[in-house]
Amino acid sequence: EAQVTQNPRYLITVTGKKLTVTCSQNMNHEYMSWYRQDPGLGLRQIYYSMNVEVTDKGDVPEGYKVSRKEKRNFPLILESPSPNQTSLYFCASVRGHVAFFGQGTRLTVV
Amino acid sequence: GQQLNQSPQSMFIQEGEDVSMNCTSSSIFNTWLWYKQDPGEGPVLLIALYKAGELTSNGRLTAQFGITRKDSFLNISASIPSDVGIYFCAGQPYNTDKLIFGTGTRLQVFP
Repeated sequence: EAQVTQNPRYLITVTGKKLTVTCSQNMNHEYMSWYRQDPGLGLRQIYYSMNVEVTDKGDVPEGYKVSRKEKRNFPLILESPSPNQTSLYFCASVRGHVAFFGQGTRLTVV
Repeated sequence: GQQLNQSPQSMFIQEGEDVSMNCTSSSIFNTWLWYKQDPGEGPVLLIALYKAGELTSNGRLTAQFGITRKDSFLNISASIPSDVGIYFCAGQPYNTDKLIFGTGTRLQVFP
C-alpha cells in the first residue's frame, strides 16, 4: 500500500531540547516536503526536497533543518525548539503536482 | 511567503444544500488542486486542474481553473454529513517548484 509514514504522531517537549520528526514514503517519489498547519493560516511550506541531497527553503524555514540522504526518508529537525513551533506538522510526498500526506505530528513545545 | 487566499473561512450549512468556495492568488499558477482534510488526518486530493478554463467533476464535486490563472473555485452539490472537514486549495506558482496551500475553508454540515 502506497503511504507516507510520520513518527511520532504526538510529541510534547521542552524548549531547547533537540528533536527529530521522521518521514518515510514507499512510492519512490523524488519530491518531498514538510508543512506546518496553524489555525487560520492553512498549510505553510517549511522545506522541500526535489531529490536526494537537494533541499530548499519553503516559506517558513526559520528554526528548522532537514536532510535527504536517501530517497524514501526526509526527517525534520528542530535543533532548539521554541513554543512558537507548537503546531501540527505534515510530511508530503509529491508526484507531479499532487501531494500525498502523512497523518501528521502534533508537536507541543512548553 | 506567498499564500493563497481562500474564502469563506468557515461555512455552516444544512444537509442537502449546495456549497461554493474559492481561492485567489496575486500571481499566475500552473496548476490548481483541491484537498479535503478530515479531523485527525492529513489532506487528501479531491480534484486536480491543469489548464486555464478547465472544469472538472468528481461525483458531487465540481472545480474550475480560472481563465486568468489566478483563481479557482470548488462547488459541492447536495451536501451530506460526511462532507464535514477543512477544504484546501493548492497550486504551483508559475516558474517555481513550490506547492502552495490556501488558508482553508472549514465546512460544517447539520442534519
